[in-house]
Amino acid sequence: DVKVTQSSRYLVKRTGEKVFLECVQDMDHENMFWYRQDPGLGLRLIYFSYDVKMKEKGDIPEGYSVSREKKERFSLILESASTNQTSMYLCASSPPGTGRDTIYFGEGSWLTVV
Amino acid sequence: KQEVTQIPAALSVPEGENLVLNCSFTDSAIYNLQWFRQDPGKGLTSLLLIQSSQREQTSGRLNASLDKSSGRSTLYIAASQPGDSATYLCAAANDYKLSFGAGTTVTVRA
Repeated sequence: DVKVTQSSRYLVKRTGEKVFLECVQDMDHENMFWYRQDPGLGLRLIYFSYDVKMKEKGDIPEGYSVSREKKERFSLILESASTNQTSMYLCASSPPGTGRDTIYFGEGSWLTVV
Repeated sequence: KQEVTQIPAALSVPEGENLVLNCSFTDSAIYNLQWFRQDPGKGLTSLLLIQSSQREQTSGRLNASLDKSSGRSTLYIAASQPGDSATYLCAAANDYKLSFGAGTTVTVRA
């Protein structure tokens, strides 16, 4: 069964802390994504990776970075967490190509920055 | 930039009624249109994917239509059940990128 796993479901961090959100997929997918979801705003793309060590900025990359050292793992990094980064973060993966196949999501990571 | 809109934001119906959920998008040059379901506090589960060359897609009680020229998709859920209560999101794919609507939250009353 297809699986995208986000290891941390609920986190509370302090302003200024460095935060790592980890995502692992077991489907050998080339594409991986990080979204954030806020009430009334839907999902917004933060970063996208189409191969190991490759990344592209999405719509809202400011304040975030990513790392993809292995095909199955895609990490989102908040260099210095701020309260406006309190949100639900969703990782996803999909096969290669240009969006012709279903995308699979993890269960989400709820981050609260205090 | 692709803009995706879902109206209404919320919907409440009695059990057994058919549901009609609307999705509109501004850029018709899409590869596909996808519908997802999201339960509270959970991730998204794909329901249906309609390729740009298709007019509709069906799975069980779910049917989704696509009209690219008018920038619209509709999700129909027949004979709704309380278990259908969830938020339904549509997403339009342009190249690798999915643009999401904010969703329609459905409550089916027993």
